[in-house]
Amino acid sequence: GDSVTQMEGPVTLSEEACLTINCTYTATGYPSLFWYVQYPGEGLQLLLKATKADDKGSNKGFEATYRKETTSFHLEKGSVQVSDSAVYFCASLGNFNKFYFGSGTKLNVKP
Amino acid sequence: DSGVTQTPKHLITATGQRVTLRCSPRSGDLSVYWYQQSLDQGLQFLIQYYNGEERAKGNILERFSAQQFPDLHSELNLSSLELGDSALYFCASSLTETSGPSTDTQYFGPGTRLTVL
Repeated sequence: GDSVTQMEGPVTLSEEACLTINCTYTATGYPSLFWYVQYPGEGLQLLLKATKADDKGSNKGFEATYRKETTSFHLEKGSVQVSDSAVYFCASLGNFNKFYFGSGTKLNVKP
Repeated sequence: DSGVTQTPKHLITATGQRVTLRCSPRSGDLSVYWYQQSLDQGLQFLIQYYNGEERAKGNILERFSAQQFPDLHSELNLSSLELGDSALYFCASSLTETSGPSTDTQYFGPGTRLTVL
């Protein structure tokens, strides 16, 4: 069945460091892919999305490219800020309207 | 603020009891989704309703049920509660059904924290 696997955290970085959070998916067909962010005490917010192969989603300096050949959707940011500290979830939406979420990766950014 | 409201914010109850969680979607949204977030199982999709009808089912236990009313608010009913049901329950809404390759954005509510003692 469909699933999403993302790197385990926590990830601890200094401010202005580069970020990569790996995400791979398994799916029957071609799912849409998403990154959501959850700040402490809040619900999830959509960060970015991509609907087909080679699409690049971007928002707030974050980027992710839908790679069909490697079934990946890695999240990247060139220079993280303390305010980026949160939990990041990779998700896929495939057939039958079902969403599949990764386990979440906690990011801690230190000043 | 996503525009999705959930009540109550916190709920503490005992094993064997039954509770109802309520969700009001964003104005104009027709789809409502329920998720469970627990430490051991992560974030799991439970069920989706669109305009009053069930549209998709995820890992929802038989002890759990949901419905969406004509005014589009939704309720998640959890019965015969067990310690393992303690979790954050999120509701999300979107404008359309989000079926197939469609990528309608889901907007999440702040969640209801359920503690079963």
